[in-house]
Parts: sequence; structure tokens; C-alpha cells
Amino acid sequence: DIQMTQSPSTLSASVGDRVIITCRASQSISNGLAWYQQTPGKAPKLLIYKASTLETGVPSRFSGNGSGTEFTLTINSLQPDDFATYYCQQYSSYSTFGPGTKVDIK
Amino acid sequence: EVQLVESGGGLVKPGGSLRLSCAASGFTFSSYSMAWVRQAPGKGLEWVSTISSRSRYKSHADSVKGRFAVSRDNAENSLYLDMNSLRVEDTAMYYCARVRGGTTDVCDYWGQGSLVTVST
Repeated sequence: DIQMTQSPSTLSASVGDRVIITCRASQSISNGLAWYQQTPGKAPKLLIYKASTLETGVPSRFSGNGSGTEFTLTINSLQPDDFATYYCQQYSSYSTFGPGTKVDIK
Repeated sequence: EVQLVESGGGLVKPGGSLRLSCAASGFTFSSYSMAWVRQAPGKGLEWVSTISSRSRYKSHADSVKGRFAVSRDNAENSLYLDMNSLRVEDTAMYYCARVRGGTTDVCDYWGQGSLVTVST
């Protein structure tokens, strides 16, 4: 089974900051990686798939990068709606989610 | 507008059974694979199962294999999850999700979830 890790687990930031979240896979997953955003009490929202393809309607301040085993999600100029928990998901072999990164207000 | 509405959750004793349903609308249901993803209270997301558009392919997480079964009825635009031999650790919010076309297991639309509580 492919295991996913994320760092950091919690990140404190301010509006306008640039935020980078890292996701690592236990073996190569090529570009089979997606990112989701979840706010409390809500269903997750797809942000990025194929490691770097922005889902329709997602603001361009979100970007994804990486391939193989190491991936990043970057949020440029953090907005108030961006304080949330972010999950990566590998879908190269079945599906596994990372443990999540909570972005909270500094 | 794509809508996914789950139902069937509730309180069940360990060893019991439950069937979750997901009613889909706003898209051609029979053209998409569908998935179930769960989230235990205060925890992260866990993929549970995926079914292809015509039910040819089904997959389940190891944690539910042999106990849960995914199915669908394209005539009724409905997705199901039959859960048997339920355990306390199956307690979670269960989300129905549409799998994005051209991908496997990437979920582009989600329901609001159905809460399953397994407890004595």
C-alpha cells in the first residue's frame, strides 16, 4: 500500500502570506496526486489534480507541483477563505489520502 | 447543477448492518465512476470504495473489504454502500462523491455526508 505524509501538520499564517504544504508518497506515484481543501462541517473541495492541473473555478493563487514522490501545494497571497485543512490524495494505485495540514490564523 | 444527497446513516450496534444511499442529479450519472469516502470524527479522509460507470469494476479499501459492498442503479441515478459486520471504528461521516472524468478516484463533486455511528 502507498502511504502519504504531509508537512507541516499545522501552519500558522496571516492574510497575504505565501504558504507551501509538502506531500510525500512512500513510492513513486508519477503525477497521480490531487489536493483538496476542507473547512469545518463541510465536504472537501477539489483544488488540483494530476499534481498541477487546477480544477475549474479554483483561484489561480493555488498551484501544485511535483512528481514521483514529492509534491507541493502553494497558496500565494493567502485569503480569509483559505484558512482550512488541506489534504493530498494519491490515486496512482487505488487511493490514499494524506493526514492533512491545517492552516490557521497567526 | 450537480447534486449528491446521501441518506441511510444512523446509530447501529457493533456487528449490525446499514445501507447508505446517494441520490445523484444534474449530470449523466451513468457516465461517471462514483466513490465513497469517510471521515471519522476529528480525523482525516479515508477512501472507502469506487465503482465504475457500468459497475464492471469495483474496489474497496482493505479496512472494509469483505464487509462493505458498493453498488449502483443507473436507471435510478443512485449509488449504494452496503455495510455489514460494522465495528466501532467504522463510525464516520460517509461522503458520496463523483469521480472526475479522465481520472481514477479524483472526486470533483461531493455530497454533504451521512453520519454512521457504531456504538452499544
